[in-house]
Amino acid sequence: GQQLNQSPQSMFIQEGEDVSMNCTSSSIFNTWLWYKQDPGEGPVLLIALYKAGELTSNGRLTAQFGITRKDSFLNISASIPSDVGIYFCAGLPRAGTASKLTFGTGTRLQVTL
Amino acid sequence: DVKVTQSSRYLVKRTGEKVFLECVQDMDHENMFWYRQDPGLGLRLIYFSYDVKMKEKGDIPEGYSVSREKKERFSLILESASTNQTSMYLCASSPLSPGQQFFGPGTRLTVL
Repeated sequence: GQQLNQSPQSMFIQEGEDVSMNCTSSSIFNTWLWYKQDPGEGPVLLIALYKAGELTSNGRLTAQFGITRKDSFLNISASIPSDVGIYFCAGLPRAGTASKLTFGTGTRLQVTL
Repeated sequence: DVKVTQSSRYLVKRTGEKVFLECVQDMDHENMFWYRQDPGLGLRLIYFSYDVKMKEKGDIPEGYSVSREKKERFSLILESASTNQTSMYLCASSPLSPGQQFFGPGTRLTVL
């Protein structure tokens, strides 16, 4: 199936730095989701975006739904060691019966002290 | 908080065995999903269900079947396990709208 283009693929940053990652698609989505997955665990939903242009925060995380509906961005401010993991974006073409997510390829984040 | 639970975190089975993976959600969600996750291949949808007793094939249904007899429970069945079904299996559920999915902790299945 289709995968969304997510960049960067991996990041090595120092504790305290800010992080930015993005996700792009060739098709339009009506919902964008951001997940974090720790090793050996299931993805955890971080932020959900439902309107083009929407900017939503969850603690140190901020995500934006692109105006074109074809992209989304996630920022993490003042990174800490527990931010380590893989971050996935996911798009939903429409809400409703049997709506299937399209996932990004993932961004692996490593934080050094 | 939404809770999705999976019956086992780790499972080791032998080739040819019948394997049941159980998933239960406590939020009265209409939709439930089974994925497998493999390095380099990302999350791939096996089957999903949008109502009790209803199911639809995902991207990789071969070798799997599912059962949804109650709204809160969605089972994945490997009729005759094979080594290429060694993987991390993830269950998810979502409300009808807006449709964001909530995942369980995963089952790491090894088929010997």
